[in-house]
Amino acid sequence: EVQLVESGGGLVQPGGSLRLSCAASGFTFSDHYMDWVRQAPGKGLEWVGRSRNKANSYTTEYAASVKGRFTISRDDSKNSLFLQMNSLRTEDTAVYYCARAEGDSSGFDYWGQGTLVTVSS
Amino acid sequence: SYVLTQPPSVSVAPGKTARITCGGYNIGSKSVHWYQQKPGQAPVLVIYYDTDRPSGIPERFSGSNSGNTATLTISGVEAGDEAHYYCQVWDSSSDHVVFGGGTKLTVL
Repeated sequence: EVQLVESGGGLVQPGGSLRLSCAASGFTFSDHYMDWVRQAPGKGLEWVGRSRNKANSYTTEYAASVKGRFTISRDDSKNSLFLQMNSLRTEDTAVYYCARAEGDSSGFDYWGQGTLVTVSS
Repeated sequence: SYVLTQPPSVSVAPGKTARITCGGYNIGSKSVHWYQQKPGQAPVLVIYYDTDRPSGIPERFSGSNSGNTATLTISGVEAGDEAHYYCQVWDSSSDHVVFGGGTKLTVL
């Protein structure tokens, strides 16, 4: 059974940093693209960024709103995806989901349950 | 940047057909995916590659995509279909995933 479990969320002050993790199981992690998607309270889904798979050199893409502040990485040996968030702003407050994709044009067939990040003083 | 436009809300009586649109420039040339999200839950993929249904999704859910509009159709709507629905594409010109703003489906 495919499972994605996020962790690492919490309360952080503006300007601070936080690192989210996504533990994957039930599939060959290295074969898949992995993304982060967030949802601010009461708002819609917002794509954060992507880590492509080993076959595509682990290249990454980022939304303009987070580029230069957030970094996506992965450790295929531990079936884990990470999101390093620096220079956090109040508008980064959201539930952060990790999600699995097969390729650039594919949909997200599995999602984690999400982890809440609150940026507030 | 590529923009997907969805109506904020759609209302339908039980047993009737709901159609939720997703507008975008030449969206018919892209692959569209649809998600259902109920309160407090993660999104669930209900239609992928315009028309395909993942296993476990009822046949009542179907999709189409042509020109500048993609459509999610839910036939024989049930109370349990009440949720937010989001369309999504990959914009190859920017190498970005794009979501529509979401549509709240209300079952009257």
